[in-house]
This record gives sequence, C-alpha cells and structure tokens, in this order.
Amino acid sequence: EIVMTQSPATLSVSPGERATLSCRASQSVSSNLAWYQQKPGQAPRLLIYGASTRATGIPARFSGSGSGTEFTLTISSLQSEDFAVYYCQQYNNWQTFGQGTKLEIK
Amino acid sequence: QVQLQESGPGLVKPSQTLSLTCTVSGGSISSGSYYWSWIRQPAGKGLEWIGRIYTSGSTNYNPSLKSRVTISVDTSKNQFSLKLSSVTAADTAVYYCARDFTRHWFDPWGQGTLVTVSS
Repeated sequence: EIVMTQSPATLSVSPGERATLSCRASQSVSSNLAWYQQKPGQAPRLLIYGASTRATGIPARFSGSGSGTEFTLTISSLQSEDFAVYYCQQYNNWQTFGQGTKLEIK
Repeated sequence: QVQLQESGPGLVKPSQTLSLTCTVSGGSISSGSYYWSWIRQPAGKGLEWIGRIYTSGSTNYNPSLKSRVTISVDTSKNQFSLKLSSVTAADTAVYYCARDFTRHWFDPWGQGTLVTVSS
C-alpha cells in the first residue's frame, strides 16, 4: 500500500496570505495525485487532479505542483472560505489518502 | 449535474451486516467511463477507500476489507449498494458514495451518512 503523509497537520495562516501544504508518497505515484477540500459536516470536494489540473469551478488561487513522491498545494491570498481540511489522494496504485492538513485562521 | 445520496440504517449491531444504498440523480449511472465507489471516514480521522463497481458489475475492493465487502449495482434504479459484514465498533464512520473517474479521483461525492456500530 502506498502511504501518503501530509504536513503540517495544522497550518495557521492569516487571511490574504499564502498557504503551502505538502504531501509525500511512500513511493512514486508519478502525477497521479488529487487534492480535496473538506469543510466541517460536508463531503470532500475535488480541487486538483493530475497533480496540477484544477477541477471545474475551482478558483485560480488554488494550484498544485509536484511529481513522483513530493507534492504541494498552494493557496494564494487566502479567503475566509478556504479555511478547511485538505487531503491528498494518490491513484497510481489503488487509491489512498493522506491524513489531512487543517488550515486554520491565524 | 450529477448528485449522489446515501441512505440506510444509522445504527447497526456488532457482528451484523451494514447495508447502504447510493442513489444517483441528474444523470445515468451507466453513462460515461465512470466507476462508483464507497469511501468512509471515522470521526476525526482520514478517508479510506472501501471499493468500487462498474456498471458491468465488475468490482474492486480494498484488500484490507475485501473479505467483508460486497458492492452491487442496480442500473434500472440508478443505484449502487454496499454491504459490509461482521461489523465491529471500528466500522463506525461516515460513509460516502462517490463517482470514481476511471479508478482515479472522486467527484462528486454524496453528503455522507453516519453509521454507528453499537449494541
């Protein structure tokens, strides 16, 4: 099983600033990586697939990068609605998720 | 726009079988190259993929759950279902159904349903 490790577990950032979230795979997943946003009491929402392609309707302030084992989700100029938990998910070998990064207001 | 909705009992006794149904609306479950998956999330924890089905009936299951999981599809009702046998408290979680884009990412998701395993 490919283990996905996200860091940090919690990230405190002020509105308007940039947030950088990391995801590491235990072995290469090429670019077969997705990112999701989950707000309390809601289902996850797809943000990014193919490591860097934004899903339909996702604002341009969300961007993904990386390949192999190291990936980054960047949110430029944080809006109030962006504070949530973010998960990465690989689909190179079955499908496994990271444990999430909670993005909270500083 | 495709939407998914989970339904089923919110409380299941230990050793019994958990049964959930996902109803797909806004499109045919048979259209496109989509699979249909179940994913769960214990309270305060991360996400675990349970398994998927294609409309042909072909299935894939998480190896860690494979011995206890059965996923089926009813295209006439635009539904797919999950059965998880011999449940324990460790199976208590919010269960989501989701459209699985060719065994890659999941989009969209249902709102989720909490299933508690308790006597």
